[in-house]
Parts: sequence; structure tokens; C-alpha cells
Amino acid sequence: GAVVSQHPSRVICKSGTSVKIECRSLDFQATTMFWYRQFPKQSLMLMATSNEGSKATYEQGVEKDKFLINHASLTLSTLTVTSAHPEDSSFYICSARVEYNEQFFGPGTRLTVL
Amino acid sequence: LAKTTQPISMDSYEGQEVNITCSHNNIATNDYITWYQQFPSQGPRFIIQGYKTKVTNEVASLFIPADRKSSTLSLPRVSLSDTAVYYCLVGRRDYGQNFVFGPGTRLSVLP
Repeated sequence: GAVVSQHPSRVICKSGTSVKIECRSLDFQATTMFWYRQFPKQSLMLMATSNEGSKATYEQGVEKDKFLINHASLTLSTLTVTSAHPEDSSFYICSARVEYNEQFFGPGTRLTVL
Repeated sequence: LAKTTQPISMDSYEGQEVNITCSHNNIATNDYITWYQQFPSQGPRFIIQGYKTKVTNEVASLFIPADRKSSTLSLPRVSLSDTAVYYCLVGRRDYGQNFVFGPGTRLSVLP
């Protein structure tokens, strides 16, 4: 199957700082990329959908000014958590897909805000 | 988006066949059924996808009855490494269509 990478895999930061997470589709061009967050023992919660050539669509309750998404190209999307606080600590997972195919997920990024 | 219902957890023993059923009563005509597997601290991994009847790959089988209101993921001869959370998702494969994750089924394979 197609490969999606995330960088970094783990990040620890101080409260108030910003953190950028990269998501790359390594061997295919993704029409759409998705960002999820997952708290311990819980399911994945969709944060936003990013289609190539347009701005991200955020789910209800997700602050777009706090979670900045840039779908820079067909193979790269970035999520920036601005002014991170301890409650933003979570497991962030991206996925990518080509139209009419399944989603391929990245390995996830563990964010810990001190 | 069609809502799915799965058992919260299941236990099995090594070597047994495991069947996990997912209910999706409101599935639409253009919806596909997709199953993912997730290990702790990893992203979900695609297992199988189908539209109707039966689909089989090297990992699992997916059984979908004619009314498509449910589906069953079948894992033959599970091993300890199959202990994971399994998610059933329903949705179109159109441009931009996203899938909504339910709570999934936590499968524990015992020795």
C-alpha cells in the first residue's frame, strides 16, 4: 500500500510555543489530506479536511486559528499547533487519499505540552 | 454519513477465527465499507474494503449481506499480534469524502 510519513514522531514543547507537524505522501499524490487527534483509549477524531488547491475545512469545535493547516502541495500537509497548552497534548494522525481509493494513515505524532 | 455500531471489545484465543460484525443501518447506495486496524501509538492500517457480497485478501475476509446494513470482518487463525482495535467505517470514495471513526472493537487475543 501507499506510504504516508509524519515528522516528528514525538515532540515535547513548553506551554505557549508553537509546534509544526509534517505529513507527507511518499509514493503518491494525495487529492485530500486529513488531520485527526486521538486521546488515550479513545477513537480518532477528525479535526480538518484539506483538499488540494483549497483551504482546509475544519470540524465543528476545532479552532482554525489555533490549528493551522497548510496543504502546500499534493504530497505535503502541515499542521501547526499555535500557542500550545497542556490540553493540546495528544496523538495527532494524518491521512492521505486519492479520489476513489482508501485513506492511508501516517504513523502519528505524539505531542506533549509541558 | 452512515453511523456504525460495533462491539466495544472481544476476546479470542490464538488459532481461532474471529468475526467482528459492524452494523450500518443507514448506509447509502454509494457508500463503501472499510476496515482498519490500529495498534497503540500507531496510525490505523487498512485491512480490507468492500461494497457487497464477499471480499478476501491475504489478511482477512469481509462479508456483506445483500441489504448491506451490516458487515462482518473475519480474521482467520488469529495470533497474539492481532491484538488491536478494529474500526469499521462507511462512506463514499468521492473527492474530499472523509470517514467518521466510531469507538472501534478492541480485540484481545489470549495465548
